[in-house]
Amino acid sequence: KAGVTQTPRYLIKTRGQQVTLSCSPISGHRSVSWYQQTPGQGLQFLFEYFSETQRNKGNFPGRFSGRQFSNSRSEMNVSTLELGDSALYLCASSLAQGGNQPQHFGDGTRLSIL
Amino acid sequence: DQQVKQNSPSLSVQEGRISILNCDYTNSMFDYFLWYKKYPAEGPTFLISISSIKDKNEDGRFTVFLNKSAKHLSLHIVPSQPGDSAVYFCASIDSNYQLIWGAGTKLIIKP
Repeated sequence: KAGVTQTPRYLIKTRGQQVTLSCSPISGHRSVSWYQQTPGQGLQFLFEYFSETQRNKGNFPGRFSGRQFSNSRSEMNVSTLELGDSALYLCASSLAQGGNQPQHFGDGTRLSIL
Repeated sequence: DQQVKQNSPSLSVQEGRISILNCDYTNSMFDYFLWYKKYPAEGPTFLISISSIKDKNEDGRFTVFLNKSAKHLSLHIVPSQPGDSAVYFCASIDSNYQLIWGAGTKLIIKP
C-alpha cells in the first residue's frame, strides 16, 4: 500500500510569492491534516480536511489555506510568503476525522524563503 | 503557551541501556496520548499510544507510562538500539480532537 505522498519535496521561494503544496493520502483515508514543523517548535497544527470540508483549524493567519478534493487529495496554499514561513510542512492522513487514531505522515515539503 | 512539553531537547544513551523520554502536559482534560518517532528527512511514524484509563501500555521494547495526577508520561525503550536514534514527539488530543504536539526530544544511541 502506497504511503502518503507529498510534492514537491523541496521548494525555494522569495518573500511575497505564493506557494501550493500537494498531498496524496493513503488510499481509503479520508482525513488529511497539515502541520508546520520548525526547529524547537515541534509540530504546529494548520488544519484538517475530511470529505472536502475543513473540520479543524489551528492558529495560523489567513495567508495559510487549503482544500481537499473528491479523491481526498489535498493542497495547501500560502500567500504573501514571509521569511518565517520557512519550515517543513507535513501532511498526515487517517481513515476518519479527528486525532484519536494514529496518523500516517508523508515525508514533508521543505520550504525555504529567501 | 505549550500544552504539551518535552523539556529535554536531546538525550544520549548507551546502546543496550534503557532510554527514558519524558513528556508533561498542562490540560487535565487530555485523555489520549501518542508517541511518534521521526528520522531526518522523513515524516513522523506512529510508535505507541495510551488512553487515560490505563497507566501503562507495552509494545515490544517500547512501554509508555502515564501518571495522570502528575500530568506526566514517559516512553521507555529497552534495550536501546542504534536504530532508535531519532527525534521522538509526544502528542495529545485536545477537546476539538486535534493533535497537540511537544517540541520533540532527539535521542542519540551511542555504540
